[in-house]
Formats: sequence, C-alpha cells, structure tokens
Amino acid sequence: DGGITQSPKYLFRKEGQNVTLSCEQNLNHDAMYWYRQDPGQGLRLIYYSQIVNDFQKGDIAEGYSVSREKKESFPLTVTSAQKNPTAFYLCASKGWDSFSFGSGTRLTVV
Amino acid sequence: ILNVEQSPQSLHVQEGDSTNFTCSFPSSNFYALHWYRWETAKSPEALFVMTLNGDEKKKGRISATLNTKEGYSYLYIKGSQPEDSATYLCANREAQGGKLIFGQGTELSVKP
Repeated sequence: DGGITQSPKYLFRKEGQNVTLSCEQNLNHDAMYWYRQDPGQGLRLIYYSQIVNDFQKGDIAEGYSVSREKKESFPLTVTSAQKNPTAFYLCASKGWDSFSFGSGTRLTVV
Repeated sequence: ILNVEQSPQSLHVQEGDSTNFTCSFPSSNFYALHWYRWETAKSPEALFVMTLNGDEKKKGRISATLNTKEGYSYLYIKGSQPEDSATYLCANREAQGGKLIFGQGTELSVKP
C-alpha cells in the first residue's frame, strides 16, 4: 500500500538534545511538508520541499532543520534551539492535486 | 481575514441532528480550499477540494459549498452519526509552493 510513514508515534527526549523525526513516502510525490500542532491551535507549517535537494522555511522554522536527499524521505530535526519543542508533528506529501498525510509523531521533551 | 478561521471550535450534537461548520479564508488570490476529516491517532482524510466560486460538493451525508468572493466555505453533515465524530479541518491552498494553511479545526462529537 502506498502512503506516508512517520516514526515513532511517541518520542521522549531530554531538554537540550536534538531529535530527528522520520517521514517516508512511497507515493512518488515531489513535494513534502512538515506541520506542527499545539493544543487549541491549527497545524502550522515548519518547512516544505518541492523537489529533492531543495527546501524552504515555513511560518515557524526557527529551531528546526530538514534535509531532502531522497525523494522518499524528508526528516525533521528538532534542535536544542527550539524553545518549546513539545508538540504533535505531522508530515504530508503532495501529488498532482491531492495531499497525503502521515499519522504523526508526538514529541515530549522533559 | 489574514488567516484561516473555523467556527465553532467544538460542537456536541445528538445522533440524527444535522450540523454545519464555517471556514473563513482570505478572498484575495484564492487558489483552492480543502476539507479534511481527522480522527484521533489516524491520518487526516480528504473530503473535498474546492476551487470554483459557487462550487457545491457532496459525499454521502456530507456536503460543502464555496464562496470565494466573500471568503467562506460551509461544511454540512446531514443526520449526524456517532462515527462522524472527528475534527474537521479546512485549509486554504496557496498557489506558490502548494502550501496548505490550516484553520484550527472544528471538533464534532455525536452522542448516540
């Protein structure tokens, strides 16, 4: 089955540590996106990539980094510079006229 | 309106009730509006993609309308069922980069 896989579902990290969230798709989609959700708020765009080896900052990119070395993969690193990293993170990809989503990773920093 | 706004934030109805939600978005430079249904611990499920002013789309008991000139879309659920309980998201798609700008969602709870 084609789709987007995010792993793990739940992630715990100590404050000050970098952590990388995985997002893999086998849909042959060119564009991929990372969103963040906080309680009571909508999904906010962190980074997006329209093609391999290229990516752009979204609305809340500070404290995050990404790479797009392969079409299938768009990992997100939450760095120690991110002031409030505890949140739900959702990955998406875009085909011709539709989006597909992972089931998300809930990151808790203690 | 600079952002995408949804109302109400939450809704509690009885089984069989019909209900509707509102999504407001910037009317300038409109490209497309998406509606999604999102159940806890699952991926958002696409309901509709709407592009033309006056569009009306239907999928079973769920339908949606679009007014791009005034910047709003309505989602209707006829005869709500407990399995309709979910968060309903609307998102304004920008032409550049294909980015989706989401509203905060409407959480629907349908009691048997």
